Amino acid sequence: GAVVSQHPSWVICKSGTSVKIECRSLDFQATTMFWYRQFPKQSLMLMATSNEGSKATYEQGVEKDKFLINHASLTLSTLTVTSAHPEDSSFYICSARETGQYFGPGTRLTVT
Amino acid sequence: RKEVEQDPGPFNVPEGATVAFNCTYSNSASQSFFWYRQDCRKEPKLLMSVYSSGNEDGRFTAQLNRASQYISLLIRDSKLSDSATYLCATDTGRRALTFGSGTRLQVQP
Repeated sequence: GAVVSQHPSWVICKSGTSVKIECRSLDFQATTMFWYRQFPKQSLMLMATSNEGSKATYEQGVEKDKFLINHASLTLSTLTVTSAHPEDSSFYICSARETGQYFGPGTRLTVT
Repeated sequence: RKEVEQDPGPFNVPEGATVAFNCTYSNSASQSFFWYRQDCRKEPKLLMSVYSSGNEDGRFTAQLNRASQYISLLIRDSKLSDSATYLCATDTGRRALTFGSGTRLQVQP
């Protein structure tokens, strides 16, 4: 199947700092990528839809000024968590759709 | 009410057992249905798509009942390696998926 990579796989940062997570489709082009978040023992929740060359679409309750999404090319979307707080600690997963929906390996963010 | 609901389990079954999971969805606009497998601290991996006619892949069988709005997954001859969390997911055509919270399966020797 198609391959989606994410970087970094885990990150620990201090409150108030910003963290950038990259999502790449390695062997296909993706005009649309999706960012999900998963808290322990909970489901994956869609945060936003990242559209190449245009603004991202955010789900209700997700602050667009806090979670900045940039999709500057057909193979790369980035999510920047700005002014991170401990409650932002979570597992962030991106996905892209080809014939099926393929997920990146996820980024585990811990904010101390 | 959650859009996609699953029994969280855990389901503890012996090796070789047959186990079935159900998942209900509330959005009648859902068009596509999937079962994903998620191992601890990993991303979900597509196990199989679910079709109205039902589909089988080796020891795994998936069924869709549109009238009752539920999908099911049957695992026969359980292996230790089947231990994981099984997520059902639906797609309303938005291309993003809506996931259930997952059902945990523990296969015991």
